[in-house]
Amino acid sequence: AQKITQTQPGMFVQEKEAVTLDCTYDTSDPSYGLFWYKQPSSGEMIFLIYQGSYDQQNATEGRYSLNFQKARKSANLVISASQLGDSAMYFCAMRGAFSSNTGKLIFGQGTTLQVKP
Amino acid sequence: DAGVTQSPTHLIKTRGQQVTLRCSPKSGHDTVSWYQQALGQGPQFIFQYYEEEERQRGNFPDRFSGHQFPNYSSELNVNALLLGDSALYLCASSISTGGYTFGSGTRLTVV
Repeated sequence: AQKITQTQPGMFVQEKEAVTLDCTYDTSDPSYGLFWYKQPSSGEMIFLIYQGSYDQQNATEGRYSLNFQKARKSANLVISASQLGDSAMYFCAMRGAFSSNTGKLIFGQGTTLQVKP
Repeated sequence: DAGVTQSPTHLIKTRGQQVTLRCSPKSGHDTVSWYQQALGQGPQFIFQYYEEEERQRGNFPDRFSGHQFPNYSSELNVNALLLGDSALYLCASSISTGGYTFGSGTRLTVV
């Protein structure tokens, strides 16, 4: 069975510092995709970054980077230069075994990040 | 360009009642997925619709049903509501080239 594990229920970071949110995954599918989403209190899931299982380089999107360690089955999100607006819930997700690019997403339990001024 | 629109934003229902939630996908998207997110938890996949048919389904009872219309919009129906159905219901649209766009959700409270 496929599974996403986020072991940090809550994290604090000082404004302008970097923070790493942990994510480990379990799958037997040789091809998969990993996503990170931000969910503010409004409820909308905001896409942050994507990593394909065959991508040779770690994904980066502005202040977000994904530390992908395939052998360890981890896909940690690094947020550099934290801002007050980064305070939200963060979810790691994996595209399921369904081969389509629109297959279902399997989410972790989430990590609440609070940025301190 | 409008993203995913869900309605209503909030809803209060009584146990045993039925509810219908609606989702309009992002322009150009043809696939709609529904997720249930209990408070403090990650979203759980309910089902996905493509070409007006249910293509994939998660581990949810038959009380949860859906529909997709020719314009790609979708409805989620839940019958015989239980207290445990109280959650945020998220709709996500997508297209074969990949990527998902989520709506802000419908917050359902069952009393």
